[in-house]
Amino acid sequence: DAGVIQSPRHEVTEMGQEVTLRCKPISGHNSLFWYRQTMMRGLELLIYFNNNVPIDDSGMPEDRFSAKMPNASFSTLKIQPSEPRDSAVYFCASSLKGGSHTGELFFGEGSRLTVL
Amino acid sequence: AQSVAQPEDQVNVAEGNPLTVKCTYSVSGNPYLFWYVQYPNRGLQFLLKYITGDNLVKGSYGFEAEFNKSQTSFHLKKPSALVSDSALYFCAVRDGGTGGFKTIFGAGTRLFVKA
Repeated sequence: DAGVIQSPRHEVTEMGQEVTLRCKPISGHNSLFWYRQTMMRGLELLIYFNNNVPIDDSGMPEDRFSAKMPNASFSTLKIQPSEPRDSAVYFCASSLKGGSHTGELFFGEGSRLTVL
Repeated sequence: AQSVAQPEDQVNVAEGNPLTVKCTYSVSGNPYLFWYVQYPNRGLQFLLKYITGDNLVKGSYGFEAEFNKSQTSFHLKKPSALVSDSALYFCAVRDGGTGGFKTIFGAGTRLFVKA
């Protein structure tokens, strides 16, 4: 299995530009998570999907952030407009949601975003 | 709401000595507990989990964790540390009682193993 695939691995952009991060979950997994990691705030859950439906987006910092999952094999996290404080490593993770919801998360390698 | 606390920012241990990385949690329902490890510039990797059953859970790379319901703790342990165990370790919790899938992570503990 190829694992969770994220792109781009690194992104450097200027303040005000739109940023789109992409994620391909593990085939057969039906839950997908977006996390943000910074030194100051640690690992924050932004949003998660079950069967392509957003379940909890309470961690999305503000309206500049949006996430979509148009099908079971693809998700995007978009920031528009971007700001320097959005600089972080963004992780996508997927999991198999069974009857007892006990599945561990499988993480991608992350997308390191730098907003100048 | 669920929460996780990792009281130590850093743990230092000599190679060959036992190691413990501490974690306490808070959930309203049944706790599903996890440990993950992160190496530099990599994503998190699953180590082990507790869902139900035996309080001592064994996982990857010789790691184990002990679930203690009365102390709401889930400490990670290894009998003999290796230099290659040096990494960032995260404890995570999911509230099994709600039936949801929200997984919350602790702040992380950096483990340094000296040769």
